[in-house]
Amino acid sequence: DVKVTQSSRYLVKRTGEKVFLECVQDMDHENMFWYRQDPGLGLRLIYFSYDVKMKEKGDIPEGYSVSREKKERFSLILESASTNQTSMYLCASSLPGGSAFFGQGTRLTVV
Amino acid sequence: AQSVTQPDIHITVSEGASLELRCNYSYGATPYLFWYVQSPGQGLQLLLKYFSGDTLVQGIKGFEAEFKRSQSSFNLRKPSVHWSDAAEYFCAVGADNQGGKLIFGQGTELSVKP
Repeated sequence: DVKVTQSSRYLVKRTGEKVFLECVQDMDHENMFWYRQDPGLGLRLIYFSYDVKMKEKGDIPEGYSVSREKKERFSLILESASTNQTSMYLCASSLPGGSAFFGQGTRLTVV
Repeated sequence: AQSVTQPDIHITVSEGASLELRCNYSYGATPYLFWYVQSPGQGLQLLLKYFSGDTLVQGIKGFEAEFKRSQSSFNLRKPSVHWSDAAEYFCAVGADNQGGKLIFGQGTELSVKP
């Protein structure tokens, strides 16, 4: 069965902290994505990657960066967490032209 | 601009009643269309997708959706709703070669009355 695993379900961090959200997929997918989900706004794309060491900005990249050193792992980094980054973060992976498979999500609270 | 609109934020239906969730899109290229479902506290699960061919597509859990190019719509339907269908539903659109790079609608929350 396909699997996208996010390392934490819930995180609480302080303003100004550097935060790492980790995502691992076991399907050998080339494409990986980070979305954030907020009520009334649906999901919005933060960053994505079509290959190892490759990254592209999505619709809302400000305040975030990513790292993809291995094909199966895609990390989202909040360089200096702020309260407006409190949200649900969803990782996904896909084949080129294929459907996206999502992880369970990480609910991040920045206090 | 590319966008997806789900006009209904919240819908309540009685168990056993039929369901239709609306989705309209604005997309410059040939759209790939998806419906996802999210149960509370969970990630998104793919219900169905439309890439090409027959405009009526069948999905999991008894759902179906119809692509209407002239109306830029991709509405989700189910003939008889079960209490376990209560969840949030997202419509999304993407390009043919970009995999999971999607534009999502705002979501429709479905409640089911016993």
